[in-house]
Amino acid sequence: EDKVVQSPLSLVVHEGDTVTLNCSYEVTNFRSLLWYKQEKKAPTFLFMLTSSGIEKKSGRLSSILDKKELFSILNITATQTGDSAVYLCAVIQGAQKLVFGQGTRLTINP
Amino acid sequence: GAVVSQHPSRVICKSGTSVKIECRSLDFQATTMFWYRQFPKQSLMLMATSNEGSKATYEQGVEKDKFLINHASLTLSTLTVTSAHPEDSSFYICSARHGPNEKLFFGSGTQLSVL
Repeated sequence: EDKVVQSPLSLVVHEGDTVTLNCSYEVTNFRSLLWYKQEKKAPTFLFMLTSSGIEKKSGRLSSILDKKELFSILNITATQTGDSAVYLCAVIQGAQKLVFGQGTRLTINP
Repeated sequence: GAVVSQHPSRVICKSGTSVKIECRSLDFQATTMFWYRQFPKQSLMLMATSNEGSKATYEQGVEKDKFLINHASLTLSTLTVTSAHPEDSSFYICSARHGPNEKLFFGSGTQLSVL
């Protein structure tokens, strides 16, 4: 059974801290891994990772994929209260469908 | 970036009625759209994959006769919840594939409340 597991499920830190969110997966015919940020409604796209070892970066956010160990991490440096959200990891597998992890609820306290 | 529009954003209906939710790709053609359901504090669960011009593919445990999906054009997919019951109350969200790199964009979601 395809599965995507995120950890931690919940994380509370202070503004300015650096956080690392984890995503491990076991899926058939892996194609790509995606990270999304969900605040109130629709998830917004952050990164898509297809190749192992290549870091993707956008401002204070960065992510990397390890296809040998079957995991990805999402790093957020110098966190701000606006980073508070649920971060979703999802994997596209052979049948082209997206399998989502449970999400990590990140809370940034001022 | 690509825009996916979903309507309505919120609907309250009586038990036994049917509700239609629309998902439109506004600035691109989407050959495939996906419908998800999300219960409070849970992740997105794929319900079905909607392909333009063909029957939708439903995930295990999702009743195709209850959740009717129509993808009649490259920019529109609809989900109809037939004979809705309180247990169908949930957040429904669609997404569409944009381009060959498989990046998905999401609609804004529909909060369905069945009384």
